[in-house]
Amino acid sequence: DVKVTQSSRYLVKRTGEKVFLECVQDMDHENMFWYRQDPGLGLRLIYFSYDVKMKEKGDIPEGYSVSREKKERFSLILESASTNQTSMYLCASSGQGAFYEQYFGPGTRLTVT
Amino acid sequence: SQQGEEDPQALSIQEGENATMNCSYKTSINNLQWYRQNSGRGLVHLILIRSNEREKHSGRLRVTLDTSKKSSSLLITASRAADTASYFCAPLTGANNLFFGTGTRLTVIP
Repeated sequence: DVKVTQSSRYLVKRTGEKVFLECVQDMDHENMFWYRQDPGLGLRLIYFSYDVKMKEKGDIPEGYSVSREKKERFSLILESASTNQTSMYLCASSGQGAFYEQYFGPGTRLTVT
Repeated sequence: SQQGEEDPQALSIQEGENATMNCSYKTSINNLQWYRQNSGRGLVHLILIRSNEREKHSGRLRVTLDTSKKSSSLLITASRAADTASYFCAPLTGANNLFFGTGTRLTVIP
């Protein structure tokens, strides 16, 4: 069964802290994505990766970075967390192919105080 | 914007009724996908319709696509309380990224 896991369901951090959100998939997918979801704004793409060590900016990359050292793991990094980064963060993966159906993790609800 | 835009934003129906949600988009697409999100959880893929298809069924779901109008609809027949969720359409563009809208919040009243 397809599985995408995220390191935490809930996270509370202080302004200025460095935050790591981890995502692991067990489907040998090439593509991995990080989104944030905010009320009234839908899902917005932060970064994505098509292969190990490759990354591409999405619609809202400012304030974030990513790391993909292994195929199954894609990390989102908030270098210096700010209150406007309080959000639900969703990781997804998809395989290569014509359809690009995405499989999502359960989400991490991050609160920055 | 390349994202899908769902309409209505919220929908409330009685159990057993049908629910119809609409989606509009602005660019050419490879396919269009529908996802469901239960409260506070990740999204789950429901159904995909390719750009050369006009209608597709999966169980109680029926999806239509009109590329000339750049629109799609999702019909859920004989709704159940467990169908209560948010539903998102996501066009897949030539860049092979999905663009999600803000979703339709469906409430099915038992």
